[in-house]
Amino acid sequence: GAGVSQSPSNKVTEKGKDVELRCDPISGHTALYWYRQSLGQGLEFLIYFQGNSAPDKSGLPSDRFSAERTGGSVSTLTIQRTQQEDSAVYLCASSLRGTSGTDTQYFGPGTRLTVL
Amino acid sequence: AQSVAQPEDQVNVAEGNPLTVKCTYSVSGNPYLFWYVQYPNRGLQFLLKYITGDNLVKGSYGFEAEFNKSQTSFHLKKPSALVSDSALYFCAVRDSISGGYNKLIFGAGTRLAVHP
Repeated sequence: GAGVSQSPSNKVTEKGKDVELRCDPISGHTALYWYRQSLGQGLEFLIYFQGNSAPDKSGLPSDRFSAERTGGSVSTLTIQRTQQEDSAVYLCASSLRGTSGTDTQYFGPGTRLTVL
Repeated sequence: AQSVAQPEDQVNVAEGNPLTVKCTYSVSGNPYLFWYVQYPNRGLQFLLKYITGDNLVKGSYGFEAEFNKSQTSFHLKKPSALVSDSALYFCAVRDSISGGYNKLIFGAGTRLAVHP
């Protein structure tokens, strides 16, 4: 597609349930990133994928969070046993390479997660 | 510690007047700096970046930014503001810590309000 797409756009769930958020990066981009945007914490890095390399998971806030990227394209962010503090907008981004740090990251529209 | 500061929560400008959105940074090594804009219920849109070279960087929608190494600043500017420029603006810097260069560190954001 022309840009990064994310689904669903909105997700309301009950505390304790698991959720999956999907990201489809720009075609040909080898690097994929997840960020979280919340009122209290601003924009924070969660995880980064580059090609077939092991992902950089250093930003994941707890072991309830995990992500995978299948076939070097689509990524899924999974949050297990959701808590109210997980409520935020989850943004996905992709870039052409990602290995130099100079590449522009292009963001998707985000998934707004509300945990009741 | 690496960080980005946007000292103003909100900037108010009259349409047609010049606008400045301020950003200062603190990183070790060469700073790679970015500006993004976020419209309501949308993801982040890339405006411009500074990697190296000319201190004045021109970007999308008539925006430009001036890199000032001595003041560690990267202020966003536009000569003549439009009402449609009203949005949330984020300054970001590439994390220059070894192994972390794929992450962007974001400022808290500045809300720009352009009044007719």
